[in-house]
Amino acid sequence: DTGVSQNPRHKITKRGQNVTFRCDPISEHNRLYWYRQTLGQGPEFLTYFQNEAQLEKSRLLSDRFSAERPKGSFSTLEIQRTEQGDSAMYLCASSLFGNTEAFFGQGTRLTVV
Amino acid sequence: DQQVKQNSPSLSVQEGRISILNCDYTNSMFDYFLWYKKYPAEGPTFLISISSIKDKNEDGRFTVFLNKSAKHLSLHIVPSQPGDSAVYFCAAKKSSGDKLTFGTGTRLAVRP
Repeated sequence: DTGVSQNPRHKITKRGQNVTFRCDPISEHNRLYWYRQTLGQGPEFLTYFQNEAQLEKSRLLSDRFSAERPKGSFSTLEIQRTEQGDSAMYLCASSLFGNTEAFFGQGTRLTVV
Repeated sequence: DQQVKQNSPSLSVQEGRISILNCDYTNSMFDYFLWYKKYPAEGPTFLISISSIKDKNEDGRFTVFLNKSAKHLSLHIVPSQPGDSAVYFCAAKKSSGDKLTFGTGTRLAVRP
């Protein structure tokens, strides 16, 4: 297992379209996190799962955003009716419950045109 | 509100010298503090962490110092190498499994 994997690496979409990103965490990690990073800012928390349960969602996560983690393995983040303000790097991280450090994937760069 | 602050957006250091990156936080509930390094177009890479019960943690060339009373931590890199040039993020969490709250980052440039 080589780490957290995110697909696609880059996505360009037209405003109003729906997009879905996938994250495959490190296999034994039961916690999975989604963050968003815009230029000049640090990553901002969106939501996290422990196994298949979504435990917390940020106020940043509008109704157009939904995340799932079926069977507690990979996770998907869907954005409906994309807006230009959704353009950002979407980062996924995973950790083992009780451990401090979280390990990040390489991110998905979303550009909404 | 910015609960984790990195007030220096950039730092330039000569190769072989010490790099000191600073971070301040406002939330006294934070118990764990982490440093991540980020190269362009990649995700953050974990460097080192410290819990609030310690005031120092060392790993090779990297040392993190925590001053709880001042709500301040710093990352020391000695000696600095050109490959250390990246953006460094300070992050904090309330418990070991909690979400991370990040600062805005400091861009370190190590000159050969």
